[in-house]
Amino acid sequence: DVKVTQSSRYLVKRTGEKVFLECVQDMDHENMFWYRQDPGLGLRLIYFSYDVKMKEKGDIPEGYSVSREKKERFSLILESASTNQTSMYLCASSLVDGSRSVAFFGQGTRLTVV
Amino acid sequence: AQSVTQLDSHVSVSEGTPVLLRCNYSSSYSPSLFWYVQHPNKGLQLLLKYTSAATLVKGINGFEAEFKKSETSFHLTKPSAHMSDAAEYFCVVSDRGSSNTGKLIFGQGTTLQVKP
Repeated sequence: DVKVTQSSRYLVKRTGEKVFLECVQDMDHENMFWYRQDPGLGLRLIYFSYDVKMKEKGDIPEGYSVSREKKERFSLILESASTNQTSMYLCASSLVDGSRSVAFFGQGTRLTVV
Repeated sequence: AQSVTQLDSHVSVSEGTPVLLRCNYSSSYSPSLFWYVQHPNKGLQLLLKYTSAATLVKGINGFEAEFKKSETSFHLTKPSAHMSDAAEYFCVVSDRGSSNTGKLIFGQGTTLQVKP
């Protein structure tokens, strides 16, 4: 079975802190994604990566950056956390033909910024 | 650009009655469509997917969806609801980004409540 693992289930950080959310997948998938999930808004794409060191902005990239130094790992970085970044963050991975292949999701990280 | 609209934010049914969760999409070409389910405090799980094969797609747990191009719809149905079906459901369309990776565009979600 495909496994997508997010390093933390729950995080509490202070405003202004630099925050790292880590995601690892074990199926050699080319594509990896970061979404945030908020009530009534569904999932919104922050960034995605289609290869090592390659990235593309999603719909809401402001305030975030990403890093993909190895194929299996995709990190989301909040350079200076703010309270409006309190949310559930979901990582996903899929094969290169992402339009037809299934995306597999991690369990999510619930981040609270105080 | 692709988009997807789930027409109901909440649906409430009684156990044993049919379920209908509605989804409309917009796409400039033949889309790939998915339904995912999210149970409380659990990750997203694929229910079913449509990728231009049969228009009636069967998924897990007795769910199915029909792709209707003329109506740009991909509604999710189940003949008889079970208490364990209570969850949030997302309709998803795949969008080819500039890198042709197929970004997933999510609807806003429909919360299904099943009453005893």
